[in-house]
Amino acid sequence: DAMVIQNPRYQVTQFGKPVTLSCSQTLNHNVMYWYQQKSSQAPKLLFHYYDKDFNNEADTPDNFQSRRPNTSFCFLDIRSPGLGDAAMYLCATSAAVGEQFFGPGTRLTVL
Amino acid sequence: QKEVEQDPGPLSVPEGAIVSLNCTYSNSAFQYFMWYRQYSRKGPELLMYTYSSGNKEDGRFTAQVDKSSKYISLFIRDSQPSDSATYLCAMTRSQGAQKLVFGQGTRLTINP
Repeated sequence: DAMVIQNPRYQVTQFGKPVTLSCSQTLNHNVMYWYQQKSSQAPKLLFHYYDKDFNNEADTPDNFQSRRPNTSFCFLDIRSPGLGDAAMYLCATSAAVGEQFFGPGTRLTVL
Repeated sequence: QKEVEQDPGPLSVPEGAIVSLNCTYSNSAFQYFMWYRQYSRKGPELLMYTYSSGNKEDGRFTAQVDKSSKYISLFIRDSQPSDSATYLCAMTRSQGAQKLVFGQGTRLTINP
């Protein structure tokens, strides 16, 4: 029944070692979003895909990239993780019009 | 000034109490208002989705929007220990692919 699936749920990486987080959806939604949420803070939008069109937030660091090879999958690549990138990363989806539905998140630890 | 202000709490109430959670906002362009519930170490779960001013009820939950005051509320009746979570308000200008602007979240504990 899972609609937005994120893997892995927990990821540990070393400072500067590239990491990729995965999101998939069974809702066939047009739009997929990536948010970063630090402890006791609100989710912060990094970017989103409307179909194949990539939309980056102005304040998202270049260190963060994304790929959407098809409707179902979207990846978040962190090229050189720093200690400040330790956070929960949330994937969300929506139809062209309507509510956003979130996955369970991937908690990233940077050593 | 943040676009959306939400008291972070923590808020602790006894089981069965009526809970009132609130957000204020500054951008009059916001039209769509949401409440999400987030359990510890989990993703946000959509509770309520409303458009413009008015009330919406779903079981024990009621969402209110007052656009003239730029104020939204979530009421929880007959609160249960399972309602203990962080509640996030969020809003956006249109229904399309839009950036949700979130409040900081209110941490709620219902004591048995």
